[in-house]
Amino acid sequence: NAGVTQTPKFQVLKTGQSMTLQCAQDMNHEYMSWYRQDPGMGLRLIHYSVGAGITDQGEVPNGYNVSRSTTEDFPLRLLSAAPSQTSVYFCASSYGSGSYEQYFGPGTRLTVT
Amino acid sequence: KQEVTQIPAALSVPEGENLVLNCSFTDSAIYNLQWFRQDPGKGLTSLLLIQSSQREQTSGRLNASLDKSSGRSTLYIAASQPGDSATYLCAVITGNQFYFGTGTSLTVIP
Repeated sequence: NAGVTQTPKFQVLKTGQSMTLQCAQDMNHEYMSWYRQDPGMGLRLIHYSVGAGITDQGEVPNGYNVSRSTTEDFPLRLLSAAPSQTSVYFCASSYGSGSYEQYFGPGTRLTVT
Repeated sequence: KQEVTQIPAALSVPEGENLVLNCSFTDSAIYNLQWFRQDPGKGLTSLLLIQSSQREQTSGRLNASLDKSSGRSTLYIAASQPGDSATYLCAVITGNQFYFGTGTSLTVIP
């Protein structure tokens, strides 16, 4: 199993550009989520999904869109990048949201200039 | 809103010492608590998962305890090694959302 994979590893965007961060898992996990990690702020939940076709907002959803058309994939879209979105982004998955262990991808380091 | 705090923010100990990392949370209505390790520039690796009905979990030199009523968890590391140097994060699950602390950066000096 590859576990949770994320692409790209690094990305530089100009303000106003859009892009999609990719996340995939091969563990047949129902729950998937996106976090951003900023210095001194810890990890903050952006969006999550409890299954294909079902998504919901986390703590910091503004400026980001998600969709979940398959169990395996959960892409994160930045509609119009802003410097405040410079961060490291992590995708995670688990069998469910309640009592299950979370598995994390390696992260995407995004810089918006 | 659930808030998770980890103290201390940084810790430096000599090799071989036993140490305790602390995690506190404000809302005791949690499903479980998970401890992670993060190496610089890397993702998070799960260390221990404690269900809300459990009091502790052990894995090798690691022991994590949970006291829901007081909103506290501790991660005990026995006989620390330089390879234990990393940032340790705790996360609690409330409803469908995970809430993370800001972590404790541990340095084990050879």
